[in-house]
Amino acid sequence: AQTVTQSQPEMSVQEAETVTLSCTYDTSENNYYLFWYKQPPSRQMILVIRQEAYKQQNATENRFSVNFQKAAKSFSLKISDSQLGDTAMYFCAFIDSGGSNYKLTFGKGTLLTVNP
Amino acid sequence: NAGVTQTPKFRILKIGQSMTLQCAQDMNHNYMYWYRQDPGMGLKLIYYSVGAGITDKGEVPNGYNVSRSTTEDFPLRLELAAPSQTSVYFCASSYSGLAGGNEQFFGPGTRLTVL
Repeated sequence: AQTVTQSQPEMSVQEAETVTLSCTYDTSENNYYLFWYKQPPSRQMILVIRQEAYKQQNATENRFSVNFQKAAKSFSLKISDSQLGDTAMYFCAFIDSGGSNYKLTFGKGTLLTVNP
Repeated sequence: NAGVTQTPKFRILKIGQSMTLQCAQDMNHNYMYWYRQDPGMGLKLIYYSVGAGITDKGEVPNGYNVSRSTTEDFPLRLELAAPSQTSVYFCASSYSGLAGGNEQFFGPGTRLTVL
């Protein structure tokens, strides 16, 4: 069974600085997708970034980028130039590309606070 | 587009009562999902649907039922509420299956307390 581990329950960062959230996962599959979802205090979860395992290039979306280390099964999220609106719970998630179409496995989340 | 909408936002139930959590999406998505989120935990899948008339159990289906009579609506029914069902419930949808890396769109959630 796949597992997703987020080892940092809480983190904080000063506005305009850079922060990295860690995520590790365990799988025996070769092709899969990884996601970072953001859940702000208003609670509606939104997709931040996704990475397909067979793509070696790290995904980037504006100030958000990932460091995907397939051999180490690590998928960290880097937020550059942190903004107050980045304050949220961040969830790492995994799905096996060859498996079921619904079984998305979530980590327990990291609560990020951006301080002014 | 309203996206995924859920009602109610908050609800307090007494043990043994029943209720239906409503979920609707206006994006013509085939797949819909119900999750629960307990404090300090990730989301757990309760039920999912791949289209109108087709539903199946997720990880934690006990105590819940669903139906999908239309593409747009996917209500979650709690029968005989128990304190263990105190949680935040999220409905989500996607155009097709998640194994292709497709994005899920989430509703704002329903905070349910069972006393």
